[in-house]
Amino acid sequence: NAGVMQNPRHLVRRRGQEARLRCSPMKGHSHVYWYRQLPEEGLKFMVYLQKENIIDESGMPKERFSAEFPKEGPSILRIQQVVRGDSAAYFCASSPLAGEWETQYFGPGTRLLVL
Amino acid sequence: AQSVAQPEDQVNVAEGNPLTVKCTYSVSGNPYLFWYVQYPNRGLQFLLKYITGDNLVKGSYGFEAEFNKSQTSFHLKKPSALVSDSALYFCAVRDETGANNLFFGTGTRLTVIP
Repeated sequence: NAGVMQNPRHLVRRRGQEARLRCSPMKGHSHVYWYRQLPEEGLKFMVYLQKENIIDESGMPKERFSAEFPKEGPSILRIQQVVRGDSAAYFCASSPLAGEWETQYFGPGTRLLVL
Repeated sequence: AQSVAQPEDQVNVAEGNPLTVKCTYSVSGNPYLFWYVQYPNRGLQFLLKYITGDNLVKGSYGFEAEFNKSQTSFHLKKPSALVSDSALYFCAVRDETGANNLFFGTGTRLTVIP
């Protein structure tokens, strides 16, 4: 059973470009969470999605950031017009609908560097 | 509101000695508590959790943690540290009624000295 997969692992963008981060949850998991980790800090929650629905986006910046989890395919975190302050590691986690629903399993992360 | 505190940024311990990484929390209602470990340039790996039941929970790689409701603590422990345990450790909490996301502490860097 493959774990949570994220790609790309590393992403370099110039200021003003768009960044697209992808997350494929573990097989059988229908809940996806995105977190951001700034250097030397803990993870901060951004958004929680189920298939085709955003359940909680209280941690998302109001502008430039969006997320989706379509019926088919991976979850996407999209950052438009990136700025240097967006440089961080972005982690996706997933959990199942039933069973150990309370445990989130994390992907390896995407490290975004904005030049 | 939920919060987690890891009072020590850095913990050093000699190989073979017991280790403790501290965590205290604040939530509404009953807490769900977790420990994760992060190795350099890697994602977080789940170590253990407390949801209900015995206050002492055992997890991966010989780690255990003790839930103490009166002290609102969930310290991570291991009887005998290995050099390979050197990593960044995060405590996380969510409450049973509110948000689905985890609240993380700022992490404790554990260094096991050979």
